[in-house]
Amino acid sequence: DAGVTQSPTHLIKTRGQHVTLRCSPISGHKSVSWYQQVLGQGPQFIFQYYEKEERGRGNFPDRFSARQFPNYSSELNVNALLLGDSALYLCASSFGRGNNEKLFFGSGTQLSVL
Amino acid sequence: GESVGLHLPTLSVQEGDNSIINCAYSNSASDYFIWYKQESGKGPQFIIDIRSNMDKRQGQRVTVLLNKTVKHLSLQIAATQPGDSAVYFCAETPNSGNTPLVFGKGTRLSVIA
Repeated sequence: DAGVTQSPTHLIKTRGQHVTLRCSPISGHKSVSWYQQVLGQGPQFIFQYYEKEERGRGNFPDRFSARQFPNYSSELNVNALLLGDSALYLCASSFGRGNNEKLFFGSGTQLSVL
Repeated sequence: GESVGLHLPTLSVQEGDNSIINCAYSNSASDYFIWYKQESGKGPQFIIDIRSNMDKRQGQRVTVLLNKTVKHLSLQIAATQPGDSAVYFCAETPNSGNTPLVFGKGTRLSVIA
């Protein structure tokens, strides 16, 4: 069975541009979460979506937005990119909406902002 | 600030020895804990989890211990192998509400052959 898949694997952008990252959850999983991981740090929570609705949002500016589609895949959008947005963006899926569920992570999208 | 942290940023162990990775958490409402392993260029990989109604849980070569009194979590890896070299994160979440999984900064485990 395929795990969580993310695309693209690597991306280089310049300041001010926008970016769209994509994620497909494990088959049967209805919840998708997005995390940002800066080099040398643990992942930081950005969003959680369940059944196409936002269920949680981390401490990130409005430049960050996301959505979940009827097939449970998800997109993360970041506008007006800043150098500090350079990070590994991780998508994770879980079956339900509960917070006491293990998350299964994809390999991430490495975003570099120049 | 983060509610989960680790005592040591790096840990070096001899192949075949046991490894112990520690984690402190500050949110007394947290009742679900997970250890993840992250290898270079990959996403975090689930290792083992434990709920607050338990103080010990064992998996294959791994054991997680939870001490709620001092809000401490540890991961023990038996007979450490070169393939265990990675960064290990503990993560925690309360059972109620929409609080997501919160990760600590991680400990880098290096296995010396």
